[in-house]
Amino acid sequence: AQSVTQLDSHVSVSEGTPVLLRCNYSSSYSPSLFWYVQHPNKGLQLLLKYTSAATLVKGINGFEAEFKKSETSFHLTKPSAHMSDAAEYFCVVSVSNAGNMLTFGGGTRLMVKP
Amino acid sequence: DGGITQSPKYLFRKEGQNVTLSCEQNLNHDAMYWYRQDPGQGLRLIYYSQIVNDFQKGDIAEGYSVSREKKESFPLTVTSAQKNPTAFYLCASSSPWTGYNEQFFGPGTRLTVL
Repeated sequence: AQSVTQLDSHVSVSEGTPVLLRCNYSSSYSPSLFWYVQHPNKGLQLLLKYTSAATLVKGINGFEAEFKKSETSFHLTKPSAHMSDAAEYFCVVSVSNAGNMLTFGGGTRLMVKP
Repeated sequence: DGGITQSPKYLFRKEGQNVTLSCEQNLNHDAMYWYRQDPGQGLRLIYYSQIVNDFQKGDIAEGYSVSREKKESFPLTVTSAQKNPTAFYLCASSSPWTGYNEQFFGPGTRLTVL
């Protein structure tokens, strides 16, 4: 079975400063990993995905994540936060032997201060 | 304009009533999913369907039912047997071309039991 742990339920940054949202995963097989973003009362939008190609993955809106197998981590970063980045972020794992079902982390709420 | 639509956006139900949430997609995706989201938590899978006229229970199927008579549509019925139905419900779809593991989400329906 696979699992995902998002290490921070809330992260607060100032506009213009770097963002780091931490995610650790557990999987017996090679995983696919995703970050989704959810704005209040909206559906989820895919930010980026890792599917065993390059370990540094670039996504939309300046976000990127690095797959580190030795650390079982897939942290999300952005060099400079914008007010519009304030939202809930979900780290998600999927493995082919589990029917490609998605397992979600508990989410990290990012707050951006002016 | 391809995508997933969910209706209604907000739904209020009296205790003891069944209600049906609509989910339609025009992405020509084979697989569709229903998730439940509670405050401060990740998404939990209720039901999924990979082909028409076939569906499987997810992690929290008790008190819910679905049908898949058409490829485009996957309605979810919340029955009176669901003990705590107040939540945000999200529908998603995926395609075998991405190995099913990249899911596209609708905007959600917020259900409140009065």
